[in-house]
Amino acid sequence: AQKVTQAQTEISVVEKEDVTLDCVYETRDTTYYLFWYKQPPSGELVFLIRRNSFDEQNEISGRYSWNFQKSTSSFNFTITASQVVDSAVYFCALSSPGAAGNKLTFGGGTRVLVKP
Amino acid sequence: DTGVSQNPRHKITKRGQNVTFRCDPISEHNRLYWYRQTLGQGPEFLTYFQNEAQLEKSRLLSDRFSAERPKGSFSTLEIQRTEQGDSAMYLCASSPYRGGRTDTQYFGPGTRLTVL
Repeated sequence: AQKVTQAQTEISVVEKEDVTLDCVYETRDTTYYLFWYKQPPSGELVFLIRRNSFDEQNEISGRYSWNFQKSTSSFNFTITASQVVDSAVYFCALSSPGAAGNKLTFGGGTRVLVKP
Repeated sequence: DTGVSQNPRHKITKRGQNVTFRCDPISEHNRLYWYRQTLGQGPEFLTYFQNEAQLEKSRLLSDRFSAERPKGSFSTLEIQRTEQGDSAMYLCASSPYRGGRTDTQYFGPGTRLTVL
Protein backbone atom coordinates (compact mmCIF):
# COMPACT_ATOMS: atom_id res chain seq x y z
CA ALA A 1 0.00 0.00 0.00
CA GLN A 2 1.11 3.52 -0.67
CA LYS A 3 1.31 6.14 2.03
CA VAL A 4 2.22 9.82 2.21
CA THR A 5 2.98 11.60 5.46
CA GLN A 6 3.13 15.34 5.98
CA ALA A 7 4.19 15.74 9.58
CA GLN A 8 3.71 19.51 9.70
CA THR A 9 0.05 20.40 10.10
CA GLU A 10 0.49 24.17 10.09
CA ILE A 11 3.31 26.62 9.45
CA SER A 12 3.09 30.34 10.10
CA VAL A 13 5.64 32.75 8.63
CA VAL A 14 6.05 36.43 8.01
CA GLU A 15 6.08 37.63 4.42
CA LYS A 16 9.43 37.22 2.62
CA GLU A 17 10.52 34.35 4.82
CA ASP A 18 11.25 30.98 3.18
CA VAL A 19 8.93 28.05 3.90
CA THR A 20 9.92 24.39 3.58
CA LEU A 21 7.25 21.70 3.58
CA ASP A 22 8.19 18.14 4.43
CA CYS A 23 6.83 15.04 2.70
CA VAL A 24 7.74 11.41 3.33
CA TYR A 25 6.29 8.62 1.22
CA GLU A 26 6.06 4.85 1.22
CA THR A 27 5.69 2.64 -1.83
CA ARG A 28 6.90 -0.74 -3.00
CA ASP A 29 6.87 0.35 -6.64
CA THR A 30 10.14 1.16 -8.34
CA THR A 31 8.43 3.53 -10.75
CA TYR A 32 6.34 6.23 -9.18
CA TYR A 33 5.52 9.92 -9.41
CA LEU A 34 5.40 12.60 -6.76
CA PHE A 35 3.33 15.75 -6.88
CA TRP A 36 2.69 18.92 -4.93
CA TYR A 37 -0.72 20.57 -5.08
CA LYS A 38 -1.90 23.83 -3.53
CA GLN A 39 -5.42 24.31 -2.17
CA PRO A 40 -6.25 27.97 -1.54
CA PRO A 41 -9.30 28.96 0.50
CA SER A 42 -11.44 28.74 -2.65
CA GLY A 43 -11.02 24.97 -2.47
CA GLU A 44 -9.68 24.07 -5.91
CA LEU A 45 -6.56 21.91 -5.97
CA VAL A 46 -3.91 23.56 -8.12
CA PHE A 47 -1.10 21.47 -9.59
CA LEU A 48 2.36 22.82 -8.78
CA ILE A 49 5.07 20.29 -9.58
CA ARG A 50 5.61 16.65 -10.53
CA ARG A 51 8.65 14.44 -10.33
CA ASN A 52 9.24 10.82 -11.39
CA SER A 53 11.24 8.30 -9.40
CA PHE A 54 14.05 8.14 -11.94
CA ASP A 55 14.87 11.80 -11.78
CA GLU A 56 16.34 12.98 -8.52
CA GLN A 57 17.56 16.23 -9.97
CA ASN A 58 16.35 19.06 -7.83
CA GLU A 59 15.11 22.14 -9.58
CA ILE A 60 13.92 25.63 -9.05
CA SER A 61 10.89 27.09 -10.74
CA GLY A 62 10.40 30.72 -9.89
CA ARG A 63 9.95 30.91 -6.12
CA TYR A 64 9.36 27.15 -5.86
CA SER A 65 12.06 24.53 -5.41
CA TRP A 66 12.04 20.90 -4.37
CA ASN A 67 14.39 18.38 -2.87
CA PHE A 68 13.75 14.76 -3.89
CA GLN A 69 15.80 12.13 -2.04
CA LYS A 70 15.00 8.48 -2.75
CA SER A 71 17.37 7.31 -0.03
CA THR A 72 15.15 8.87 2.64
CA SER A 73 11.85 8.66 0.67
CA SER A 74 11.40 12.38 0.98
CA PHE A 75 10.09 15.01 -1.41
CA ASN A 76 10.33 18.38 0.29
CA PHE A 77 9.06 21.63 -1.18
CA THR A 78 10.28 25.16 -0.55
CA ILE A 79 8.66 28.49 -1.22
CA THR A 80 11.25 31.24 -1.32
CA ALA A 81 10.40 34.79 -0.25
CA SER A 82 6.85 33.90 0.72
CA GLN A 83 3.94 36.17 -0.12
CA VAL A 84 0.50 36.51 1.44
CA VAL A 85 -1.00 34.87 -1.66
CA ASP A 86 0.95 31.72 -0.82
CA SER A 87 -1.37 31.16 2.15
CA ALA A 88 -3.05 27.84 1.43
CA VAL A 89 -3.00 24.15 2.27
CA TYR A 90 -0.30 22.25 0.42
CA PHE A 91 -0.62 18.56 -0.38
CA CYS A 92 2.03 16.08 -1.33
CA ALA A 93 0.77 13.16 -3.42
CA LEU A 94 2.08 9.88 -4.81
CA SER A 95 1.06 7.86 -7.84
CA SER A 96 2.39 4.82 -9.63
CA PRO A 97 1.49 2.94 -12.82
CA GLY A 98 0.62 -0.03 -10.65
CA ALA A 99 -2.05 1.86 -8.77
CA ALA A 100 -5.59 1.96 -10.10
CA GLY A 101 -5.52 4.30 -13.05
CA ASN A 102 -2.56 6.07 -11.54
CA LYS A 103 -4.76 7.24 -8.65
CA LEU A 104 -3.23 9.76 -6.30
CA THR A 105 -2.53 9.02 -2.66
CA PHE A 106 -2.43 12.28 -0.71
CA GLY A 107 -0.84 13.29 2.54
CA GLY A 108 -2.84 15.09 5.18
CA GLY A 109 -1.73 18.51 4.03
CA THR A 110 0.21 21.38 5.59
CA ARG A 111 -1.54 24.69 6.14
CA VAL A 112 0.73 27.65 5.39
CA LEU A 113 -0.16 31.05 6.76
CA VAL A 114 1.86 33.96 5.48
CA LYS A 115 1.40 37.11 7.53
CA PRO A 116 2.08 40.55 6.10
CA ASP B 1 -8.44 25.61 -22.79
CA THR B 2 -11.13 25.44 -20.14
CA GLY B 3 -10.45 23.55 -16.95
CA VAL B 4 -12.44 20.92 -15.13
CA SER B 5 -15.87 22.17 -14.08
CA GLN B 6 -18.19 20.80 -11.42
CA ASN B 7 -21.80 21.52 -10.62
CA PRO B 8 -23.26 22.40 -8.27
CA ARG B 9 -20.56 24.05 -6.19
CA HIS B 10 -22.56 23.65 -3.01
CA LYS B 11 -25.35 21.29 -2.08
CA ILE B 12 -27.29 21.18 1.18
CA THR B 13 -29.64 18.27 1.62
CA LYS B 14 -31.53 16.46 4.32
CA ARG B 15 -30.54 13.02 5.46
CA GLY B 16 -32.14 10.33 3.35
CA GLN B 17 -32.37 12.38 0.18
CA ASN B 18 -30.59 11.53 -3.06
CA VAL B 19 -28.09 13.92 -4.62
CA THR B 20 -26.29 13.99 -7.96
CA PHE B 21 -23.14 15.87 -8.90
CA ARG B 22 -21.77 16.54 -12.36
CA CYS B 23 -18.20 16.83 -13.60
CA ASP B 24 -17.08 18.07 -17.01
CA PRO B 25 -13.43 17.19 -17.63
CA ILE B 26 -10.93 18.94 -19.84
CA SER B 27 -12.12 18.07 -23.33
CA GLU B 28 -9.23 15.96 -24.58
CA HIS B 29 -8.76 14.05 -21.32
CA ASN B 30 -9.99 10.46 -21.40
CA ARG B 31 -9.36 9.66 -17.73
CA LEU B 32 -11.69 11.02 -15.08
CA TYR B 33 -11.38 10.59 -11.31
CA TRP B 34 -13.58 11.22 -8.30
CA TYR B 35 -12.12 11.95 -4.86
CA ARG B 36 -13.67 12.82 -1.51
CA GLN B 37 -12.15 15.25 0.94
CA THR B 38 -13.37 15.63 4.51
CA LEU B 39 -12.49 18.63 6.64
CA GLY B 40 -8.82 18.82 7.53
CA GLN B 41 -7.87 15.76 5.51
CA GLY B 42 -6.30 15.08 2.16
CA PRO B 43 -8.46 13.88 -0.74
CA GLU B 44 -9.20 10.16 -0.94
CA PHE B 45 -9.70 8.25 -4.17
CA LEU B 46 -13.22 7.01 -4.91
CA THR B 47 -13.28 5.81 -8.51
CA TYR B 48 -11.96 6.42 -12.00
CA PHE B 49 -13.03 6.08 -15.60
CA GLN B 50 -11.09 5.56 -18.76
CA ASN B 51 -13.39 6.84 -21.46
CA GLU B 52 -16.82 5.41 -20.52
CA ALA B 53 -15.49 2.39 -18.60
CA GLN B 54 -15.38 2.52 -14.81
CA LEU B 55 -12.21 0.57 -14.11
CA GLU B 56 -11.71 0.85 -10.37
CA LYS B 57 -13.79 1.61 -7.30
CA SER B 58 -12.47 2.25 -3.81
CA ARG B 59 -13.89 0.43 -0.80
CA LEU B 60 -14.98 3.91 0.30
CA LEU B 61 -17.59 3.79 -2.43
CA SER B 62 -20.48 2.04 -0.70
CA ASP B 63 -23.44 0.66 -2.61
CA ARG B 64 -25.25 3.95 -2.01
CA PHE B 65 -22.79 5.60 -4.38
CA SER B 66 -22.89 5.23 -8.13
CA ALA B 67 -20.88 6.96 -10.82
CA GLU B 68 -21.36 7.06 -14.55
CA ARG B 69 -19.66 8.44 -17.60
CA PRO B 70 -22.06 7.41 -20.33
CA LYS B 71 -20.40 8.86 -23.40
CA GLY B 72 -16.89 9.18 -22.15
CA SER B 73 -17.27 12.90 -21.63
CA PHE B 74 -18.99 14.28 -18.50
CA SER B 75 -19.51 12.16 -15.40
CA THR B 76 -22.13 12.06 -12.66
CA LEU B 77 -21.78 10.89 -9.07
CA GLU B 78 -25.00 9.99 -7.29
CA ILE B 79 -25.41 9.37 -3.59
CA GLN B 80 -28.61 7.67 -2.52
CA ARG B 81 -30.14 7.91 0.95
CA THR B 82 -27.55 10.42 2.11
CA GLU B 83 -26.14 10.20 5.61
CA GLN B 84 -24.46 12.88 7.70
CA GLY B 85 -21.17 11.09 7.22
CA ASP B 86 -21.40 11.83 3.50
CA SER B 87 -20.80 15.53 4.19
CA ALA B 88 -17.56 16.34 2.40
CA MET B 89 -16.04 18.03 -0.63
CA TYR B 90 -16.34 15.87 -3.74
CA LEU B 91 -13.53 16.56 -6.18
CA CYS B 92 -13.31 15.59 -9.81
CA ALA B 93 -10.06 15.42 -11.76
CA SER B 94 -9.09 14.53 -15.30
CA SER B 95 -5.95 13.56 -17.13
CA PRO B 96 -4.93 12.35 -20.54
CA TYR B 97 -3.93 8.72 -20.95
CA ARG B 98 -0.96 7.92 -23.12
CA GLY B 99 -0.43 4.23 -22.64
CA GLY B 100 1.23 3.50 -19.32
CA ARG B 101 2.56 6.96 -18.65
CA THR B 102 1.37 8.73 -15.53
CA ASP B 103 0.02 12.10 -16.44
CA THR B 104 -0.85 14.96 -14.18
CA GLN B 105 -4.39 15.12 -12.87
CA TYR B 106 -6.11 18.49 -13.01
CA PHE B 107 -8.84 19.17 -10.50
CA GLY B 108 -12.15 20.97 -10.61
CA PRO B 109 -13.39 23.37 -7.92
CA GLY B 110 -15.29 20.63 -6.12
CA THR B 111 -18.85 20.21 -4.87
CA ARG B 112 -19.28 20.78 -1.16
CA LEU B 113 -22.06 18.55 0.23
CA THR B 114 -23.69 19.23 3.57
CA VAL B 115 -26.13 16.64 4.88
CA LEU B 116 -28.38 17.94 7.66
